[in-house]
Amino acid sequence: GAGVSQSPRYKVAKRGQDVALRCDPISGHVSLFWYQQALGQGPEFLTYFQNEAQLDKSGLPSDRFFAERPEGSVSTLKIQRTQQEDSAVYLCASSPDPRTETEAFFGQGTRLTVV
Amino acid sequence: RKEVEQDPGPFNVPEGATVAFNCTYSNSASQSFFWYRQDCRKEPKLLMSVYSSGNEDGRFTAQLNRASQYISLLIRDSKLSDSATYLCVVNTGFQKLVFGTGTRLLVSP
Repeated sequence: GAGVSQSPRYKVAKRGQDVALRCDPISGHVSLFWYQQALGQGPEFLTYFQNEAQLDKSGLPSDRFFAERPEGSVSTLKIQRTQQEDSAVYLCASSPDPRTETEAFFGQGTRLTVV
Repeated sequence: RKEVEQDPGPFNVPEGATVAFNCTYSNSASQSFFWYRQDCRKEPKLLMSVYSSGNEDGRFTAQLNRASQYISLLIRDSKLSDSATYLCVVNTGFQKLVFGTGTRLLVSP
């Protein structure tokens, strides 16, 4: 389909393991966002890209979290030395043009469980 | 204080009822406002944008009060299929969308 695609859909990691979460935005979308959603909470902003430039990473909870979008399309969110509090759904969203107020389209998310 | 605050609910209403959700935001420089809907274990999807003049889409009406930093969503003639979590979303500038915790709605027969 033509929507935002995230992989894997589910990931179980042992505490201390590194994980990489992938996001394929809608083709041509300039803006890409990562959010973290804990159970029963709304999505919490992590970081924002405009093309390949990471313009805002103020929501990344620690230096264990790293995101990149090297060619302005696919993005990867990496979490090093995972902890139990990292267990959440990680949502990626994209939108077409940052100059206009358009909706953000979300992927189905990656559910990360750290055991 | 959270940037966007909502009553988490749940709101339990019978079919056909009218229900209203409220949301307040703290950043007076916020530029645009939205209601998103999220079904259980699904991703959020845009329900409607919220304009200063108020706007209506079928059974749904959204209002914005910039002076009070307050947003509302009214659902008339509730359907079973309206059961979901409704997320108040504020664009605080620089493309940063800030979400409220969400208000859970349960519509029963």
